[in-house]
Amino acid sequence: GQSLEQPSEVTAVEGAIVQINCTYQTSGFYGLSWYQQHDGGAPTFLSYNALDGLEETGRFSSFLSRSDSYGYLLLQELQMKDSASYFCAVRGSNSGGYQKVTFGTGTKLQVIP
Amino acid sequence: DVKVTQSSRYLVKRTGEKVFLECVQDMDHENMFWYRQDPGLGLRLIYFSYDVKMKEKGDIPEGYSVSREKKERFSLILESASTNQTSMYLCASTGMSYEQYFGPGTRLTVT
Repeated sequence: GQSLEQPSEVTAVEGAIVQINCTYQTSGFYGLSWYQQHDGGAPTFLSYNALDGLEETGRFSSFLSRSDSYGYLLLQELQMKDSASYFCAVRGSNSGGYQKVTFGTGTKLQVIP
Repeated sequence: DVKVTQSSRYLVKRTGEKVFLECVQDMDHENMFWYRQDPGLGLRLIYFSYDVKMKEKGDIPEGYSVSREKKERFSLILESASTNQTSMYLCASTGMSYEQYFGPGTRLTVT
């Protein structure tokens, strides 16, 4: 099966940098994604890592280490609008060999002035 | 822009009722997914589909069934709704990329 662990809550100051960690267990690993969800909204895609290393998209970066089954999302120059829940999601395979996506329980980020 | 729509934003049903949740995507995506979201539990996969008439169980399929008669439409069915199925239900689709596009969600309350 697949399982993911990430912290439930993180608080950071506006303008600072915050890192949200994610560890996972899966069979047939294909990649790790990150999604952002504001209260009352739908999850929106942020990034995807299939290979080891860092992927940068503007203020957001995502890192993957497949050997450690670990990844993180790095948010720089935090803004108040970054207050949201962040989910890591692993793309693995089920017993039938079909790719499936399993989400973590989410990290609620609060940005304070 | 990819659009994923769900038939209702809010739904109230009685215990034992049969409930249909509809999801439609307009980008010709092969893959569609149904999740439920509960506080502290994240998004849990109920069922997914990689082609018309094809379905695969997710992590919590018990009490649910699905139907995919057309590529653009993926329906979630609660055969006999129970109070523990009160939740936010999210539909998503993907094409060739790994990005999942989510619908706005249906908040279902079973009384």
